[in-house]
Amino acid sequence: EVQLAQSGGGLVQPGGSLRLSCAASRFNFNNFWMNWVRQSPGKGLVWVSRISHDGKVTDYADSVEGRFSISRDNTENTLYLQMNSLRVEDTAVYYCATESADVWGRGTLVIVSS
Amino acid sequence: DIVMTQSPLSLPVTPGEPASISCRSSQSLLYSDGNNYLDWFLQKPGQPPQLLIYLASNRASGVPDRFSGSGSGTNFTLKITRVEAEDVGVYYCMQGLQTWTFGQGTKVEIK
Repeated sequence: EVQLAQSGGGLVQPGGSLRLSCAASRFNFNNFWMNWVRQSPGKGLVWVSRISHDGKVTDYADSVEGRFSISRDNTENTLYLQMNSLRVEDTAVYYCATESADVWGRGTLVIVSS
Repeated sequence: DIVMTQSPLSLPVTPGEPASISCRSSQSLLYSDGNNYLDWFLQKPGQPPQLLIYLASNRASGVPDRFSGSGSGTNFTLKITRVEAEDVGVYYCMQGLQTWTFGQGTKVEIK
């Protein structure tokens, strides 16, 4: 079964950093663009970032531009989201998803609080 | 950014009855390849979104045929012919023409 296994969430203080991981299995990871989407508690879905299949092209939502960095390791079939200068409003469940949106990770919770 | 607007935001349904959700985009989602880059998802509590419909009218793998999508340009509709209890949750439309944007979500619950 095609799968995206997420890890790396947790509790962090404002101004802190976290790195999320998303490990792909049973599909040709290095052929696909990948996305990060987040969902604040009780709210809707918001796109965060995307990366091209080769890692050369990246895009970010305005709300995270300059603070978050998306990357990938195609030898390890893993997608990353480095989150720096975290704010209370970054608190959310973060999902990774394929470019066709047909495969999603189960999500990882990030809580930014003092 | 393309803004997606769903209606209604809340939809009480009776099992066995039909249901319909509307989604409008602020720009046309019809690309030069002839495809409308509009997807529909269902999110159940505690779960990631599940793709139901892609490119406006194509059912994703394993999705029951009671779900159908239609529309083109800026106006789209998701229809359920006969609602079942397992269909409750929040439905989202999403445009994939540019970096993704989602509608606000429509909460479907049993009356």
